[in-house]
Amino acid sequence: EPEVTQTPSHQVTQMGQEVILRCVPISNHLYFYWYRQILGQKVEFLVSFYNNEISEKSEIFDDQFSVERPDGSNFTLKIRSTKLEDSAMYFCASSVSGRYTEAFFGQGTRLTVV
Amino acid sequence: QKEVEQNSGPLSVPEGAIASLNCTYSDRGSQSFFWYRQYSGKSPELIMSIYSNGDKEDGRFTAQLNKASQYVSLLIRDSQPSDSATYLCAVGSGGSYIPTFGRGTSLIVHP
Repeated sequence: EPEVTQTPSHQVTQMGQEVILRCVPISNHLYFYWYRQILGQKVEFLVSFYNNEISEKSEIFDDQFSVERPDGSNFTLKIRSTKLEDSAMYFCASSVSGRYTEAFFGQGTRLTVV
Repeated sequence: QKEVEQNSGPLSVPEGAIASLNCTYSDRGSQSFFWYRQYSGKSPELIMSIYSNGDKEDGRFTAQLNKASQYVSLLIRDSQPSDSATYLCAVGSGGSYIPTFGRGTSLIVHP
């Protein structure tokens, strides 16, 4: 069964360092999303991506964040200068279309900023 | 501000009982509604989607939607200990229909 895959599963980084989280969405899906979940809190939307551009972003997705689809399969989230409060689970998701279709989630990347 | 509200629980039910999970949402223009299950330390796993008023059944799961009351629920029949997890309600609204998640309800099914 097709699935969203994310790498790495766990990343530890020092405060101020840049990190890149990687995702391979399901192959026929057109919409891609990044969400995050701080421990004990709800799943929060960061950004959506369609047709090689950002379609929507939340207040959380500030200038330290960027997304890219560098080739036909990968979808990346870059955090330029990590802060302690960026420690969270980051989930990539994809859907066939933006309306009336379900979003399927990858297994997540646990980011720990020390 | 789009809000999705869920009782955090925990909801405790005996094995074999019906578990009823509820969710309300603030955006009257919402069009798509989803239930996800999340085990501790894992990612959300889609259980069901519902788009029209009424009931939708899939195996032991039934989703119910009432747009007039801005209310969506999930019933789990014949609950099993393996159903113990956090159940997340997600609502798609706005022009992009991006799912907004509630905080989730913790369900405990005890033998």
